Amino acid sequence: EIVLTQSPATLSLSPGERATLSCRASQSVSRYLAWYQQKPGQAPRLLIFDASNRATGIPARFSGSGSGTDFTLTISNLEPEDFAVYYCQQRGNWPQITFGPGTKVDIK
Amino acid sequence: QVQLVESGGGVVQPGRSLRLSCAASGFTFSSYGMHWVRQAPGKGLEWMAVISNDGGDKYSADSVKGRFTISRDNSKNTLYLQMNSLRAEDTAVYYCAKDLTAGAARYYFDYWGQGTLVTVSS
Repeated sequence: EIVLTQSPATLSLSPGERATLSCRASQSVSRYLAWYQQKPGQAPRLLIFDASNRATGIPARFSGSGSGTDFTLTISNLEPEDFAVYYCQQRGNWPQITFGPGTKVDIK
Repeated sequence: QVQLVESGGGVVQPGRSLRLSCAASGFTFSSYGMHWVRQAPGKGLEWMAVISNDGGDKYSADSVKGRFTISRDNSKNTLYLQMNSLRAEDTAVYYCAKDLTAGAARYYFDYWGQGTLVTVSS
């Protein structure tokens, strides 16, 4: 099983600041990695797939990068609605799909 | 618009069975692979199972293999998860999710239902 590790566990920032979230895989997943946003009481929302492709309707302030074992989600200018938990997910080892434990972005 | 509506959750005793359903609308259901993903209370996401668009291929997570079975009825636009021999650790919100692309599954999930809570307790 490919284990995903996300850091930091919590990121405390103010609106307008830049958020940088990390996801590291225990072995290479090539570029087969996605990012999701989840707000309390809601289902997750797909933000990024294949490491850097924004999903339909996702604002340009969300960007993804990386390959192999190291990936980054960047939110360039935090809006109030961006405070949430973010999960990475790999499909490099399909059909054994795994998610990271999440990074909570909260208001400083 | 795409809608996924889960049902069938509830409280069930350990060792018993439960079947979840997911009614889909707003897209050509028979063209997409479908998934189940669960989330234990206060915890992260765990992928459970996938079924191909025609139902011919199915895979499940090792943690539920042999106990949970995914199926679909394309004539009813409905996805199912049969859960047998339930354990306390199966307590979670269960989401159905649509695969990103038509045809072969990409294992990315672009639409999710609102989830249905399954509580396994005596």
